[in-house]
Amino acid sequence: DVKVTQSSRYLVKRTGEKVFLECVQDMDHENMFWYRQDPGLGLRLIYFSYDVKMKEKGDIPEGYSVSREKKERFSLILESASTNQTSMYLCASSMAGTGSNYGYTFGSGTRLTVV
Amino acid sequence: AQSVTQPDIHITVSEGASLELRCNYSYGATPYLFWYVQSPGQGLQLLLKYFSGDTLVQGIKGFEAEFKRSQSSFNLRKPSVHWSDAAEYFCAVGPMDTGRRALTFGSGTRLQVQP
Repeated sequence: DVKVTQSSRYLVKRTGEKVFLECVQDMDHENMFWYRQDPGLGLRLIYFSYDVKMKEKGDIPEGYSVSREKKERFSLILESASTNQTSMYLCASSMAGTGSNYGYTFGSGTRLTVV
Repeated sequence: AQSVTQPDIHITVSEGASLELRCNYSYGATPYLFWYVQSPGQGLQLLLKYFSGDTLVQGIKGFEAEFKRSQSSFNLRKPSVHWSDAAEYFCAVGPMDTGRRALTFGSGTRLQVQP
């Protein structure tokens, strides 16, 4: 079964810490995405990547960076965690191209609490 | 810019009753349209998608959605709701061109099912 795996299900970090959220997919997908999910706001795109070492900002990139050194792995980095970054973080991947390749496969999410 | 509106934050229906969840999108042309479901503590699962052709699309778990270009809508329906359908539902839109390939999600509708 195809999978997107997020390394941590729950994470508690202190304000000011550098935080790494890891995501690995085993489907050889070209595209990978990081969203954060907050009640009443739905999913908001932080960053996405079309290929190794390529990244593009989404709608809310401030305070975040990403790394994609290998095709299967896409890391989200909180340079200096703040309490307003407490959220559910969802990783997704998809094939390149259009049409039926378009749909996402999501990971189970990482619930991050910054104290 | 593309956007998605789900006007109902929370809906409660009785088991066995019919269901319609509303979704309106804003986009310059016909986009790709999706419905995802998120059960408590889980990632998002694709219910169905529309790319072109027949405007009534069938999905998993007995769900269907109808694309209405004139109303910029893509409402999700189910004729008879089961208790296991209680979850949060997200509508999403994506561009058909080869530009930004990332999906834009609505804020979600939480479905509660009464016995």
